[in-house]
Amino acid sequence: QVQLQESGPGVVKPSETLSLTCSVSGGSIRTDYWSWIRQPPGKGLEWVGHIDYIGSTNYNPSLRSRVTISVDTSKNEFSLKLTSVTAADTAVYYCARGYRRTWIAYDYWGQGTLVTVSS
Amino acid sequence: QSALTQPASVSGSPGQSITISCTGTSSDVGGNNYVSWYQQHPGKAPKLMIYDVSNRPSGVSNHFSGSKSGNTASLTISGLQAEDEADYYCSSSTSGSTLLFGGGTKLTVL
Repeated sequence: QVQLQESGPGVVKPSETLSLTCSVSGGSIRTDYWSWIRQPPGKGLEWVGHIDYIGSTNYNPSLRSRVTISVDTSKNEFSLKLTSVTAADTAVYYCARGYRRTWIAYDYWGQGTLVTVSS
Repeated sequence: QSALTQPASVSGSPGQSITISCTGTSSDVGGNNYVSWYQQHPGKAPKLMIYDVSNRPSGVSNHFSGSKSGNTASLTISGLQAEDEADYYCSSSTSGSTLLFGGGTKLTVL
């Protein structure tokens, strides 16, 4: 059974960089697509971007200038960095695995981690 | 890119059927067969219910079904049960190889 666990600071100051890591257990990160998806409190889901195990990425156009997703196959984890954050970036951030080796649906999700942008 | 359009809320009584729509454009919903549906209970991560418009992952009840016509996809839940009460989100790949979600629909079982 694949399990994903997000980790990182719960509070980030405005204009600083949000950094999160997703640790994958019960499966190899080398065979699938991996994504970050966020959900502002009380609002809907927003796709942030995805990465495959060789490091190919694609990002939400609205975030592309600020976001970087990377993968560390030696640690079986992948990471998210979002620069120049504002209050609008406050959200629960989920990491997820692409279903059937695609990036268009997600079958395993982390529990989510709330990141609040506040001074 | 704008979110796909879903009704904010739908409701139904136990045993009834309901349908949730998800409207996009020819650049997303209408342009491919990669529409998915997720169920999200409060405080929980989303759960994949339908992929590729109408396919159910293993373990998902067959009282969930999906379809698509033109730029609109639909999720139908037949034989509503109390535990079906949740938020539902559609998603679609786009011509730009990105992913769009719908705004979400709150299902209330009366």
